[in-house]
Amino acid sequence: EVQLVESGGGLVKPGGSLRLSCAASGFTFSSYSMNWVRQAPGKGLEWVSSISSSSSYIYYADSVKGRFTISRDNAKNSLYLQMNSLRAEDTAVYYCARDFEVTDYWGQGTLVTVSS
Amino acid sequence: QPVLTQSSSASASLGSSVKLTCTLSSGHSSYIIAWHQQQPGKAPRYLMKLEGSGSYNKGSGVPDRFSGSSSGADRYLTISNLQSEDEADYYCETWDSNTQVFGGGTKLTVL
Repeated sequence: EVQLVESGGGLVKPGGSLRLSCAASGFTFSSYSMNWVRQAPGKGLEWVSSISSSSSYIYYADSVKGRFTISRDNAKNSLYLQMNSLRAEDTAVYYCARDFEVTDYWGQGTLVTVSS
Repeated sequence: QPVLTQSSSASASLGSSVKLTCTLSSGHSSYIIAWHQQQPGKAPRYLMKLEGSGSYNKGSGVPDRFSGSSSGADRYLTISNLQSEDEADYYCETWDSNTQVFGGGTKLTVL
């Protein structure tokens, strides 16, 4: 059974940093691209970042470019999102998602709140 | 980059059928999309991948009541024999130029 379990969310002040993790199991993690997708309170889904299976290709939404860094460790079956210079508008639930052209599995999400 | 347009809300009665629409922007009518369901307070769940031909592949455990179809730039999700647990937000998704794109979502109310 495919499982994606996010962790690392919490309350952080504007300008602060946070690192999200996603532990993957139930599939060959190193064979799939992975995404981070977020959802602000009461809003729709927003793609944040993608990373290819071998980390060769990395992409970001314009809203986070230069502030967020996606990475992965295939030996640990883990995906990461380093978030710096956080803003109030980054407040959202962040989902780890498996990429098979479109998203075919989602994690349960981790809440990031940016507030003073 | 494609834009996906969805109606903001829909409603249908318990036991009836409903057809939700996701429309691809001009020049992107051949794109494959996915449908996702998000029940209140839960993470999204992948329902199916839907091609422009109308062919679709459902995710694991998705009931037979859920089906997909296509016509031109429109992609449809049909839910038959509506159940109370089908009350949820439904999102369509596609990708292009290394970017994932989501529609704004349709809130389905089961009456």
